[in-house]
Amino acid sequence: NAGVTQTPKFQVLKTGQSMTLQCAQDMNHEYMSWYRQDPGMGLRLIHYSVGAGITDQGEVPNGYNVSRSTTEDFPLRLLSAAPSQTSVYFCASSPSGGTGELFFGEGSRLTVL
Amino acid sequence: KQEVTQIPAALSVPEGENLVLNCSFTDSAIYNLQWFRQDPGKGLTSLLLIQSSQREQTSGRLNASLDKSSGRSTLYIAASQPGDSATYLCAVRNYGQNFVFGPGTRLSVLP
Repeated sequence: NAGVTQTPKFQVLKTGQSMTLQCAQDMNHEYMSWYRQDPGMGLRLIHYSVGAGITDQGEVPNGYNVSRSTTEDFPLRLLSAAPSQTSVYFCASSPSGGTGELFFGEGSRLTVL
Repeated sequence: KQEVTQIPAALSVPEGENLVLNCSFTDSAIYNLQWFRQDPGKGLTSLLLIQSSQREQTSGRLNASLDKSSGRSTLYIAASQPGDSATYLCAVRNYGQNFVFGPGTRLSVLP
């Protein structure tokens, strides 16, 4: 059972480069989200989606873009990477309706030089 | 705005002790509360999920309680082991469907 799959696990970028972090889930979950985790800052919500074609901003959306063309996939795009975006990124999914459990991917460690 | 806090920030105990981790939240309008474990450099693993209508959930040596009216949850770990060493995070799911996380409690269980 794959659950939530994130790729790549590690990535090094130069300032100004763009890239996409991939997230896929095979549990038919409607809710998907992206978090970043930084020392001393905890987990912060970047963007989320409650279903295909629907996305919304979280707490720290600037510099990131998302789309949700299918139920399974929720990619996170860094438009022009900055050193402040060096972080560990987590994708998570949950059934909608409120009572569902949140499942996490293993994370993607991004370093921006 | 929902805020979640966890006390203590760090805890060190000898093996075999029973311990309690605390989680507090400011807005009681939640669907559920979930406890996670995170090992260094790893992702988050779900431990227990308590629905807003429930008072507690148990899994093995773990017991989580929820008092929604007072905005509190506790995670009780019985007979702690060195393998329990990790960071424990709680998260509440708001009526708006998003999850808000606490900063975590870093637990060290000494052999």
